[in-house]
Amino acid sequence: SQQGEEDPQALSIQEGENATMNCSYKTSINNLQWYRQNSGRGLVHLILIRSNEREKHSGRLRVTLDTSKKSSSLLITASRAADTASYFCATDAWDGNKLVFGAGTILRVKS
Amino acid sequence: GAVVSQHPSWVICKSGTSVKIECRSLDFQATTMFWYRQFPKQSLMLMATSNEGSKATYEQGVEKDKFLINHASLTLSTLTVTSAHPEDSSFYICSVPNLRDDTIYFGEGSWLTVV
Repeated sequence: SQQGEEDPQALSIQEGENATMNCSYKTSINNLQWYRQNSGRGLVHLILIRSNEREKHSGRLRVTLDTSKKSSSLLITASRAADTASYFCATDAWDGNKLVFGAGTILRVKS
Repeated sequence: GAVVSQHPSWVICKSGTSVKIECRSLDFQATTMFWYRQFPKQSLMLMATSNEGSKATYEQGVEKDKFLINHASLTLSTLTVTSAHPEDSSFYICSVPNLRDDTIYFGEGSWLTVV
C-alpha cells in the first residue's frame, strides 16, 4: 500500500530558485530516502536520512526529517534545468528493505 | 556505472504470451531483491520480494501465478509476466538493497506494452 503523501504534486520554478518538496508518511520508519526519476527511467538514489537524524546535506540537497510529525522535506538549492524530474520519498519499516513510496512531486525547472 | 542492470528496457508482446524481465546486481550479491510496478504518472507500488533460494513473497492483490519470480542466484532475479493482457502494460522496476551501505539501488526499469 502506498503510505506516503507528497506535496506539491507539481512544482514549476525558474533556474536558480530553490525547490522545496514535502513528504508525509503514516507508520514508524527505519529511515527515509529520496529518489529522483527522469521521465520513463529508473530511480536514482539521492539521499538517505535515518530515523534518529533530523537534517542531512548532500551538495545542493538538504533533507529534514521530523518523526514527531512523520514528515520530511527535500530542498534543492540553486536549481538547474537538469534538475527537472520527478522526486519521490520512500520509507522502509523495520522489517527490511521494502520501500513504500510517496506519490511524488514533478519538478520543472525553466531556464 | 550502473549497479543494477535490468533487461529488456522495452518489450512489446501479444496478449496471451509471456514475458521475462531480468534484474542483475552487478556490484554485490543480494539474497533479496524487490519488484515494483509503476503505471503512467503514478508512484511505484511494491509487487513482491524475491528471495534467493526460496519462494517469493507477494504483496496483497498481486497474483503469484501471473507474476512468476525466480531468484536464480545471488545476483539475478527474474520476473515473468504470464498470459499477459493489455492491463499488464506498465513500467516494471527492480531494486536491490546493498547491506554494506544501506543503499537501495534500482534498475533502469522495463517498459512492457501488451497489444
